[in-house]
Amino acid sequence: TQLLEQSPQFLSIQEGENLTVYCNSSSVFSSLQWYRQEPGEGPVLLVTVVTGGEVKKLKRLTFQFGDARKDSSLHITAAQPGDTGLYLCAYQHGSSNTGKLIFGQGTTLQVKP
Amino acid sequence: GAGVSQSPRYKVAKRGQDVALRCDPISGHVSLFWYQQALGQGPEFLTYFQNEAQLDKSGLPSDRFFAERPEGSVSTLKIQRTQQEDSAVYLCASSPNRGDSYMNTEAFFGQGTRLTVV
Repeated sequence: TQLLEQSPQFLSIQEGENLTVYCNSSSVFSSLQWYRQEPGEGPVLLVTVVTGGEVKKLKRLTFQFGDARKDSSLHITAAQPGDTGLYLCAYQHGSSNTGKLIFGQGTTLQVKP
Repeated sequence: GAGVSQSPRYKVAKRGQDVALRCDPISGHVSLFWYQQALGQGPEFLTYFQNEAQLDKSGLPSDRFFAERPEGSVSTLKIQRTQQEDSAVYLCASSPNRGDSYMNTEAFFGQGTRLTVV
């Protein structure tokens, strides 16, 4: 099982600031997924990146998949308190027949008003 | 319901007590997963069902953990003789695709059951 390393582990910023969180591995992935988990809720899928170098935008969130498909980043512009949560990257364990997700340890983001 | 429903939301158990956690997946979803999540960490895979068949239980931490999905819909995760290290949030997820499909599939998660063993 390949490991996903997420950084930073914890980030506390003021409303309006920009931030970037990272998901790194030494392994190559066919795709990576990003989830956001709000306190007391389950993770919710934000995006799936598939192609090396791909950039996807979701309102103020920009996701990038590394050219070598080993890493990914999430950039948030003008963060808002509603962005607070745990951001998780994950991949589907392709060699199994279950489609189970392997998650990184997550980045906890706190946006203060 | 529209989403994955888990009950109870919170469970406090005395060490040594048995607990049962319920998951109602989205109707018609073939795949069902259980994950365990420690505070501030990512979820870790426990077990997978395709309809009623438990195809992967490699993530279950010990033989005190048992899961079933007898009719291919509702699933129950049972933990016998609970220990303090079992304290965590237990998440259930369902997906419309079979686990062995080569499509990127979206897993829909429930709100989880927070288990505290005292």
